[in-house]
Amino acid sequence: GAGVSQSPSNKVTEKGKDVELRCDPISGHTALYWYRQSLGQGLEFLIYFQGNSAPDKSGLPSDRFSAERTGGSVSTLTIQRTQQEDSAVYLCASSFGLAASSTDTQYFGPGTRLTVL
Amino acid sequence: AQKVTQAQTEISVVEKEDVTLDCVYETRDTTYYLFWYKQPPSGELVFLIRRNSFDEQNEISGRYSWNFQKSTSSFNFTITASQVVDSAVYFCALRLYNFNKFYFGSGTKLNVKP
Repeated sequence: GAGVSQSPSNKVTEKGKDVELRCDPISGHTALYWYRQSLGQGLEFLIYFQGNSAPDKSGLPSDRFSAERTGGSVSTLTIQRTQQEDSAVYLCASSFGLAASSTDTQYFGPGTRLTVL
Repeated sequence: AQKVTQAQTEISVVEKEDVTLDCVYETRDTTYYLFWYKQPPSGELVFLIRRNSFDEQNEISGRYSWNFQKSTSSFNFTITASQVVDSAVYFCALRLYNFNKFYFGSGTKLNVKP
């Protein structure tokens, strides 16, 4: 597609349930990033993929959070046993992943709004 | 360690006023890239501009201008003759040469009132 797409756009779940959030990056982008944005807050880095590997998982807040990427394209962020504090907008971004390039830029998707009741 | 500071949490102006959003960054690297993103109420972050550390030339795009000063580690963003549609949260970000990770500031919420 033309831009980064994310699904679902909204997800309401009950505490304790597992959720999966999907990100489809811009075609040709090898790098993919997940961020979390709580209401009125800034961007919290979660994890970054280069191809299918995740060189930086430092932002994952707990072992309930995991992410994978297959085929160098779509990524899934999974939150197990959701808690109310997981409620936030989860943003995905992608880039060409050319770290040595001055033009490499992240482009963001519309986000998934997760509400844990 | 890298850090981006946007000290202004929220700014309110009246339409047609000029407004400057501050961004101060910290890095010991000599080659890096600076970015501004806009997040309107709809929520999707929109890329506005990218600047290289070796290019301190200021840039103007319509009502938007950016002032990059390495001496003060600042990359400020000015909107001239603000409009209600400029109301959004603006994020400044830093990326180091040869690294893909972005360091984002906490954002500045701009309210432009009619």
